[in-house]
Amino acid sequence: SSELTQDPAVSVALGQTVRITCQGDSLRRDYASWYQQKPGQAPVLVFYAENNRPSGIPDRFSGSTSGNTASLTITGAQAEDEADYYCKTRDSSGNHWVFGGGTKLTVL
Amino acid sequence: QVRLVQSGAEVKKPGASVKVSCKASGYTFISHYMHWVRQAPGQGLEWMGVINPSGDWTNYAQKFQGRVTLTRDTSTSTDYMELSSLRSEDTAVYYCARDNSDSRSAWWFDPWGQGTLVTVSS
Repeated sequence: SSELTQDPAVSVALGQTVRITCQGDSLRRDYASWYQQKPGQAPVLVFYAENNRPSGIPDRFSGSTSGNTASLTITGAQAEDEADYYCKTRDSSGNHWVFGGGTKLTVL
Repeated sequence: QVRLVQSGAEVKKPGASVKVSCKASGYTFISHYMHWVRQAPGQGLEWMGVINPSGDWTNYAQKFQGRVTLTRDTSTSTDYMELSSLRSEDTAVYYCARDNSDSRSAWWFDPWGQGTLVTVSS
């Protein structure tokens, strides 16, 4: 079982705001990073550390952490945001890395 | 730009080994660790292991200990992942991903290779 827990599926109406969450005790120590994966493609980094978005990622993607929960927020979701989203951090030992189970985002 | 280009798809029989390559370009190869991640069909991402910049230290997920070997050739900026004793459950897409960190509390993988499909079938 994963040390990081994500909701399996989330939906959002076009143009609305959606929050994807990731829970795990390791998040009290380390920041999560977030990856978007579309069918048949490699994952792409969309947010990392305290408040960092890679170049080329729209500013509608933002992240935050509170206690043991990290969140990825998409403000004004677009059709092209429909994808699987994974969080990642180090495990409880701090020696290995672990991914959440992934959240399938549907844009209605 | 920074790129990771992986070797092509492989089909292997149960019990065999597979070696996947990941050639880096656009950055100083010996300045970054490299991770390997796999994804079985319809499943999530699974971390396999990491190799340090000089190639003399590796760390593997418990699940793959004894079956996976990560190596690198710094002269060609290429990383390798070898998985032995293959079984049908190892059928997956295997990715390399460059490590980045702030050396305190944040680690992120960017960029990723395009992935290599390994099919294990008799």
